[in-house]
Amino acid sequence: QVQLQESGPGLVKPSQTLSLTCTVSGGSISSGGYYWSWIRQHPGKGLEWIGYSYYSGSTYYNPSLKSRVTISIDTSKNQFSLKLSSVTAADTAVYYCAREVTMFRGEYFDYWGQGTLVTVSS
Amino acid sequence: QSVLTQPPSASGTPGQRVTISCSGSTSNIGSIYVHWYQQVTGTAPKLLIYSDDERPSGVPDRFSGSKSGTSASLTISGLRSEDEADYYCAAWDDSLSGPVFGGGTKLTVL
Repeated sequence: QVQLQESGPGLVKPSQTLSLTCTVSGGSISSGGYYWSWIRQHPGKGLEWIGYSYYSGSTYYNPSLKSRVTISIDTSKNQFSLKLSSVTAADTAVYYCAREVTMFRGEYFDYWGQGTLVTVSS
Repeated sequence: QSVLTQPPSASGTPGQRVTISCSGSTSNIGSIYVHWYQQVTGTAPKLLIYSDDERPSGVPDRFSGSKSGTSASLTISGLRSEDEADYYCAAWDDSLSGPVFGGGTKLTVL
């Protein structure tokens, strides 16, 4: 059974960089066929896809966040990470990591982490 | 405002059948698969239906999905109290070149 677990600071100051790590267990992040993704959910709101990394290191980001997002992958640790720069209060959200099954233009998220609340405040 | 449109709420009594709709466009639902996620309050979303009408292992057959044109539906038969949750549709969007979600439908079991 694949499990994902987010970790990182729950409080980030405005203008700083939000950094989160997702640790994958029960499966190898190096196995093909999956994108390793980040999704966020603003309080009381819906879901927003942030972006993904393939095990090879190739990435793709939501155009609305692309200028501020970096997703990286560490196959030796079976982890992938999210960095979101120049944060504001609008970035306050629950951040989820998820495994995305690759299926050309039909991708879906089959495993999710439990989510971690990140609050942007001074 | 979400790319995919869902009703904000739905309700039913135990044993009833409830259908939740999801409306999109030719750049998403109309051209590729739709997926559905269930999110119980305070927990992470869970994959409920993928590729329009496929159920992952462990999902009861009370849950079913369908699609026609640029709209999709999730039907829950034999409604149970534990089905009370938020339900999200999702699909790949050609304009975004990435996945998009509906705004979610809060299902209340009366």
